Amino acid sequence: QSVLTQPPSVSAAPGQKVTISCSGSSSNIGNNYVSWYQQLPGTAPKLLIYENNKRPSGIPDRFSGSKSGTSATLGITGLQTGDEADYYCGTWDSSLSVNWVFGGGTKLTVL
Amino acid sequence: EVQLVESGGGLVQPGRSLRLSCTASGFTFGDYAMSWVRQAPGKGLEWVGFIRSKAYGGTTEYAASVKGRFTISRDDSKSIAYLQMNSLKTEDTAVYYCTRLIMVRGVINWFDPWGQGTLVTVSS
Repeated sequence: QSVLTQPPSVSAAPGQKVTISCSGSSSNIGNNYVSWYQQLPGTAPKLLIYENNKRPSGIPDRFSGSKSGTSATLGITGLQTGDEADYYCGTWDSSLSVNWVFGGGTKLTVL
Repeated sequence: EVQLVESGGGLVQPGRSLRLSCTASGFTFGDYAMSWVRQAPGKGLEWVGFIRSKAYGGTTEYAASVKGRFTISRDDSKSIAYLQMNSLKTEDTAVYYCTRLIMVRGVINWFDPWGQGTLVTVSS
């Protein structure tokens, strides 16, 4: 069971908007930046969002991130079939046993 | 182009050892901390550990699941990071990814880029 909680799956039609939540605690999301990663089928993860809401160069503005308290959200607008992937949130955790934690991942299906 | 290439994966028996390598190019390797992340078949991402740059002591941190069995090291002259895995267990079976990490005020902020991964299978 992951320290960060994500819904196992979400789905929406092409052109629609979807949000993926990531819930944590004060030892992780509450006091640290959140980043998001996209993993297309059969490929390595790729950075999508860093420092809660910043996009690396080359990432379209259809992707957005936000954080409030101990939760973060990834938003994707104008869904495309090519967005079908697994999405992971991650952040630093200040507890003694770990330094970095990932969410369990959310599979996005574009219907 | 910034690139990371892992190598060294394969089939290994439980209790044995294996060393993975991550060869970097396209950036000043010695300026960055490096990390390993693994993904068991059909499962999510699990952080394994990281090594700081020499400027920050080159020290290491590990996840509890691998602490005492895995060791991360680096050779800045060759732009290579290593993951030495000892006393391997079947549950260590996974694709192992090497990734560059950005740290701010001693805290990992994000991972970018990622290598293509190398598969380690622990089985008798």
